[in-house]
Amino acid sequence: DTEVTQTPKHLVMGMTNKKSLKCEQHMGHRAMYWYKQKAKKPPELMFVYSYEKLSINESVPSRFSPECPNSSLLNLHLHALQPEDSALYLCASSQPDTGKRSVQYFGPGTRLTVT
Amino acid sequence: AQSVSQHNHHVILSEAASLELGCNYSYGGTVNLFWYVQYPGQHLQLLLKYFSGDPLVKGIKGFEAEFIKSKFSFNLRKPSVQWSDTAEYFCAVNAVRTGRRALTFGSGTRLQVQP
Repeated sequence: DTEVTQTPKHLVMGMTNKKSLKCEQHMGHRAMYWYKQKAKKPPELMFVYSYEKLSINESVPSRFSPECPNSSLLNLHLHALQPEDSALYLCASSQPDTGKRSVQYFGPGTRLTVT
Repeated sequence: AQSVSQHNHHVILSEAASLELGCNYSYGGTVNLFWYVQYPGQHLQLLLKYFSGDPLVKGIKGFEAEFIKSKFSFNLRKPSVQWSDTAEYFCAVNAVRTGRRALTFGSGTRLQVQP
């Protein structure tokens, strides 16, 4: 099973709202990632968690707040977003214990629209 | 920092035509190389990967890619495309020695196969 699930599939929120995106995997992976993908562009890395600890933050604005409550779950808390934050948010996971040979598996994404 | 270039942004082919999509990366050290595919409305799926060994790797759905270290290239090929291959194709790289597991994606190639 190489499934990464994400909820919700679609989200529309106002600039003053607070919402959260959720990601779950049951492959025993200990690295999880958030990527942002704008239309017709490649995914861009936002955050990496390794063993439930934040290891990479690609200078993402503080209105995006990641959380990794356990090894299977990854959240992205959203607050006071801007219309330009509208995008597809992708979650991925991989197994860092395989050393240099890890493969990232992606979820279907959450399509976020900020109004 | 590593970067990935995909020179073909939009490719239109007829069914049964042969396909080659270019991918070049810039990084002097050891890399892991990937091709992902994103079918319309679906999530990113791994097509194939290269870690080490035989530079010609075979993936799913009849795709293959060749790693040419001297050219920093990892081109994707398929001898005969089908209408169902219509999708966006992303080349991705992760530099091994940096320990940075996150992927750097190319800008993507949109493949349109006409019946």
